[in-house]
Amino acid sequence: SSELTQDPAVSVALGQTVRITCQGDSLRTYYASWYQQKPGQAPVLVLYGNNYRPSGIPDRISGSSSGNRASLTITGAQAKDEADYYCKSRDSSGNRVFGGGTKLTVL
Amino acid sequence: EVQLVESGGGLVQPGGSLRLSCAASGFDFRRFGMNWVRQAPGKGLEWLSYISSSRDTIFYADSVKGRSTISRDNDKKSLYLQMNSLRAEDSAVYYCARENSGYYSVYFDNWGQGTLVTVSS
Repeated sequence: SSELTQDPAVSVALGQTVRITCQGDSLRTYYASWYQQKPGQAPVLVLYGNNYRPSGIPDRISGSSSGNRASLTITGAQAKDEADYYCKSRDSSGNRVFGGGTKLTVL
Repeated sequence: EVQLVESGGGLVQPGGSLRLSCAASGFDFRRFGMNWVRQAPGKGLEWLSYISSSRDTIFYADSVKGRSTISRDNDKKSLYLQMNSLRAEDSAVYYCARENSGYYSVYFDNWGQGTLVTVSS
């Protein structure tokens, strides 16, 4: 299956640590990439490959992968981290695929 | 600075057609694969199509296969998506995204701001 599964919503208290997960068979072969999207804005790449961050993404955001699961962890969550987060991978046929997205609320 | 600017969206009747464009600047367009992604109102991201830098590899999601054609003009630094037989469920913001890749990793490192397509009578 090329589907990627994410929890629809996750919440975290200000300053605490939160993990957002993504599960799918394609993750056994390909690393996930992660995108942050705030209301009314285009998605922004925040993680790719084996825990690489694009320039400008704080090291509070980190990634990991094991088996068919990938995770994005935010350490010391800030109000500005509140957003939708999407994982993405590709399948063996070449199709790119997104997870359903996780809405992160910072309390 | 990498810039991707979509255009061509608008209101179209069911069954109609639309050609979306994405103008690229700030990078060597001919070196990168490109994608189209859409987002229906209140919904998640949906990948639609990929075209390689040299146009020799193209993929489509099942939702648009047979109704859409992705293309690019490397001289004009432009990406296109021709969409036919449009349905209400095709209403969405359409993004173009630059693809980069590495060791077992494919990722979209730059996105446009999107163009809104509304399919309605």
